[in-house]
Amino acid sequence: EIVMTQSPATLSVSPGERGTLTCRASQSISFNLAWYQHEPGQAPRLLIYGASIRATGIPARFSGSGSGTEFTLTISSLQSEDFAVYYCQQYNKWPGTFGQGTKVEVK
Amino acid sequence: VQLQQSGPGLVKPSGTLSLMCTVSGASLITHNWWSWVRQTPGKGLEWIGEIHHSGRINYNPALRSRVIISVDKSKNQFSLKLSSVTAADTAVYYCARAEFIGAVGALFDYWGQGTVVTVSS
Repeated sequence: EIVMTQSPATLSVSPGERGTLTCRASQSISFNLAWYQHEPGQAPRLLIYGASIRATGIPARFSGSGSGTEFTLTISSLQSEDFAVYYCQQYNKWPGTFGQGTKVEVK
Repeated sequence: VQLQQSGPGLVKPSGTLSLMCTVSGASLITHNWWSWVRQTPGKGLEWIGEIHHSGRINYNPALRSRVIISVDKSKNQFSLKLSSVTAADTAVYYCARAEFIGAVGALFDYWGQGTVVTVSS
């Protein structure tokens, strides 16, 4: 099983600032990585797949990069609705596995 | 596409957890697979299993002996049964649509709202 490690566990950012989240895979997963946003009590939302492709309706302030074992999700200017938990997930190998999540909170 | 979950939030130890997911805005009869994922405090997000409308099923090896996923195409629903539950099965359970895009594994493009299931007597 591929282990996904996210850092930091909590990211404190002021509204309008940039936030950068990291996800590392225990072995190469090519570009087969997705990012999800999860607000408490709501369904998780797919943000990014293929490491850098925004899902339908996702604002341009969300961008993903990386390949192989190291990936980044950047939120260029944090809006109030962006404070949530973010998960990465590899789907290069079956079964897909998730990181432990990064909580983005208001500084 | 919307996935609406239903089922009890409290299950007794050694009992069977049963959840239903009703899909609207899309047919189950597509190339997609339909999955269950759970979130526990200790293990984070854990994939439970998936089903295709053709009847093909895959389960997480760690849970395979206790899980049954089934589909009712006439009602556009799929369901999860997890037997012999213990406190370790206390979690938020999600149904989700799985999409395979050129890889062996699947990503999840639509999710249900989640059901908090507590295992307790």
